[in-house]
Amino acid sequence: GENVEQHPSTLSVQEGDSAVIKCTYSDSASNYFPWYKQELGKGPQLIIDIRSNVGEKKDQRIAVTLNKTAKHFSLHITETQPEDSAVYFCAASKIGGGADGLTFGKGTHLIIQP
Amino acid sequence: DAGVIQSPRHEVTEMGQEVTLRCKPISGHNSLFWYRQTMMRGLELLIYFNNNVPIDDSGMPEDRFSAKMPNASFSTLKIQPSEPRDSAVYFCASSFERGAYNEQFFGPGTRLTVL
Repeated sequence: GENVEQHPSTLSVQEGDSAVIKCTYSDSASNYFPWYKQELGKGPQLIIDIRSNVGEKKDQRIAVTLNKTAKHFSLHITETQPEDSAVYFCAASKIGGGADGLTFGKGTHLIIQP
Repeated sequence: DAGVIQSPRHEVTEMGQEVTLRCKPISGHNSLFWYRQTMMRGLELLIYFNNNVPIDDSGMPEDRFSAKMPNASFSTLKIQPSEPRDSAVYFCASSFERGAYNEQFFGPGTRLTVL
């Protein structure tokens, strides 16, 4: 089955600086890579996703890159703000004839220092 | 839209008792997922349904765990008998599979403590 590794487990950055979180996956058949943000006491919420037919996707301060050859993808947050503090999870799955369950990384606790 | 609804939000029970967690997916969604979150193992997929039919239950830890989806608007995850190592936050998520788009929307979770 799929295995997703995520690094780092904790990341502390100064407000206004950029943050980068990296993930690798093992199953070359995976073709859908979402990123979720989880705030304390809440369920994960999708912030951005990328499919295998593109190499990069941006949405305001958030961007995700994908390297299918190396089987790794990354989340980039620029101009970090205090509200970006949360746990971020990467995930991978295959989109086939029906919805597929997600395999998650272990998460990155992002701390934005004022 | 009320989002995915889970109940109860918190459950404290004693070892050996039966526990039932409930989920109401977003109206119109045709896929439902149960995940478990612990510090040690992170977020793990337990089982998922498509059009009320279980598709993959390989993540269910053992026979003490069972899940049902009697209709499109309700699902249960049952643990019988419960054990302390079952303590975790259990999330339900739903999605509407339409071609290549299948964002999963998560509920607020049920925090289960087994004493």
